[in-house]
Amino acid sequence: DQQVKQNSPSLSVQEGRISILNCDYTNSMFDYFLWYKKYPAEGPTFLISISSIKDKNEDGRFTVFLNKSAKHLSLHIVPSQPGDSAVYFCAARGGSGGSNYKLTFGKGTLLTVNP
Amino acid sequence: DAGVIQSPRHEVTEMGQEVTLRCKPISGHDYLFWYRQTMMRGLELLIYFNNNVPIDDSGMPEDRFSAKMPNASFSTLKIQPSEPRDSAVYFCASSRGGLQPQHFGDGTRLSIL
Repeated sequence: DQQVKQNSPSLSVQEGRISILNCDYTNSMFDYFLWYKKYPAEGPTFLISISSIKDKNEDGRFTVFLNKSAKHLSLHIVPSQPGDSAVYFCAARGGSGGSNYKLTFGKGTLLTVNP
Repeated sequence: DAGVIQSPRHEVTEMGQEVTLRCKPISGHDYLFWYRQTMMRGLELLIYFNNNVPIDDSGMPEDRFSAKMPNASFSTLKIQPSEPRDSAVYFCASSRGGLQPQHFGDGTRLSIL
């Protein structure tokens, strides 16, 4: 049972345009969400996060939106650059005690930004 | 600052052999996590430590898997005996505090023949 789902395995956009990556979750205990970016043969690197008390968090070209009622979050990259081409993972955590430190990951979306 | 360091980067061995994966977390980080990435299951948490103590090993698939953290700067994940279905990329991550973003190593690609 996948608690964090990224339904688009891949996404292709033109340089300069907006990239929108989507993520859905099922566990209502999740209260903190993160996006990680991964290049081939490297480990995931933290990109941006959002707490469930917010509905938007922005960091430069990256913005994450959270819709708690729909259990949906999205990552917007504007403008997209070829260097953004990577696999993007959505992750979530929440719950009591030690389970609050455990991240549950989606399977990732491969973003390709074409020059 | 040095990141999380994992070794070896690649490991190829025959089934039945013992495999030991190593991880050096970022200095000062008190949480250490071991993950496994496969095509079928994605990235899943196996076990995590706080201050060298295992806190949650509910993700460890079988008794063939064991993990230790003898000190703050070193952890191992051992598989004995290894099986072909253990083939995956294994990542180690660390964080300063359990709620801070985790920093990942570059992983060990394990192939069991």
